[in-house]
Amino acid sequence: EIVLTQSPATLSLSPGERATLSCGASQSVTRNFLAWYQQKPGLAPRLLFYDASSRATGIPDRFSGSGSGTDFTLTISRLEPEDFAVYYCQQYGSLPLTFGGGTKVEIK
Amino acid sequence: EVQLVESGGGLIQPGGSLRLSCAASGFTFSTYWMHWVRQVPGKGLVWVSRINPDGSSTTYADSLKGRFTMSRDNAKNTLYLQMNSLRAEDTAVFYCAGQRTNSPIDYWGQGTLVSVSS
Repeated sequence: EIVLTQSPATLSLSPGERATLSCGASQSVTRNFLAWYQQKPGLAPRLLFYDASSRATGIPDRFSGSGSGTDFTLTISRLEPEDFAVYYCQQYGSLPLTFGGGTKVEIK
Repeated sequence: EVQLVESGGGLIQPGGSLRLSCAASGFTFSTYWMHWVRQVPGKGLVWVSRINPDGSSTTYADSLKGRFTMSRDNAKNTLYLQMNSLRAEDTAVFYCAGQRTNSPIDYWGQGTLVSVSS
């Protein structure tokens, strides 16, 4: 099983600031099949990126995904009020599918 | 519009059984791999199980130890999760989710809450 470790657990930032979220895998993610999701309270996760760096439909370009192998990063260049949420990475290259523990981006 | 609508959640006593359903619309259900993912309120996402597009193959998280059975009816565009021998630690919101081959999960339902308590 591929274990995904996200850091930090919580990121306290102000609107307009840059957010950098990390996701580390215990072994190489097959074909870089790594996705990022955003989740707000009471809602289902929303796909942001797939294949580590491909932006999903409708995702603003202030979001970017990067990385390969075992180290992946989600960057939000300038936080907007609607970006404060929990972010999860997930690998879908091998079973069992696994999720990271999440990073909460909160308003400072 | 793509929709996945879960139903069947509720309060159940420990040791009981529950069957969740997920009605799909707005996409070609029979071509999608389908998953169940659960989330304890306030905690992270945990993958439960997966079924292939024609329903002939299922895979489960090891932690379930045979208590859950996933199935699908492509004629009815519906996904199921039969949950037996429920425990307090099974309390969670259960999401059904859809995935195309070699793609991420990109369709999610709104979730249904299962509460296991005496």
